[in-house]
Amino acid sequence: SQTIHQWPATLVQPVGSPLSLECTVEGTSNPNLYWYRQAAGRGLQLLFYSVGIGQISSEVPQNLSASRPQDRQFILSSKKLLLSDSGFYLCAWTRGEAFFGQGTRLTVV
Amino acid sequence: ILNVEQSPQSLHVQEGDSTNFTCSFPSSNFYALHWYRWETAKSPEALFVMTLNGDEKKKGRISATLNTKEGYSYLYIKGSQPEDSATYLCAPPRGGTSYGKLTFGQGTILTVHP
Repeated sequence: SQTIHQWPATLVQPVGSPLSLECTVEGTSNPNLYWYRQAAGRGLQLLFYSVGIGQISSEVPQNLSASRPQDRQFILSSKKLLLSDSGFYLCAWTRGEAFFGQGTRLTVV
Repeated sequence: ILNVEQSPQSLHVQEGDSTNFTCSFPSSNFYALHWYRWETAKSPEALFVMTLNGDEKKKGRISATLNTKEGYSYLYIKGSQPEDSATYLCAPPRGGTSYGKLTFGQGTILTVHP
């Protein structure tokens, strides 16, 4: 069966610090992978998606970046966090429907 | 830019009431329409994947219809229960040059009061 792992579950980071969130999928090959963010009081915003290794589509201009170094690994990064980066981040993969990780609650202080 | 709109933004109903809400999307280049249920402190879970105009799917007390020509889908909940309280999201995946893109609407927040 397929599983998706996302970590850490919670993170408190100071403004200006770097960020690295990791997501890995098991039990499938060549999945489409996604990073979403839910900011306070808002819906689920698509940040990045990837249809293959090294293929990243960015949806929203921001100080975040994504990389896919391996088929089943998707990483969300930032060199310098802003207060506005606070939110709930979800990783997902799709095969027909989407399957989500457990999410990371990021608080930038 | 894909404009996915869900209405209403929030909904409060009493236990036992039936309710419905709407997802609107561009009808051109339709590929599929997904409905998800998102409970607080959990990850979204898929309810339905709908692909054909006129599709009607049902899971227990929840059902959904699809009209790809006019670009909308309805989600119905019959006899709402407090455990139905959640945010309901829709997403029309994109094909063609936007293959793989999965963008969600803002969601409808449903609260069922005992």
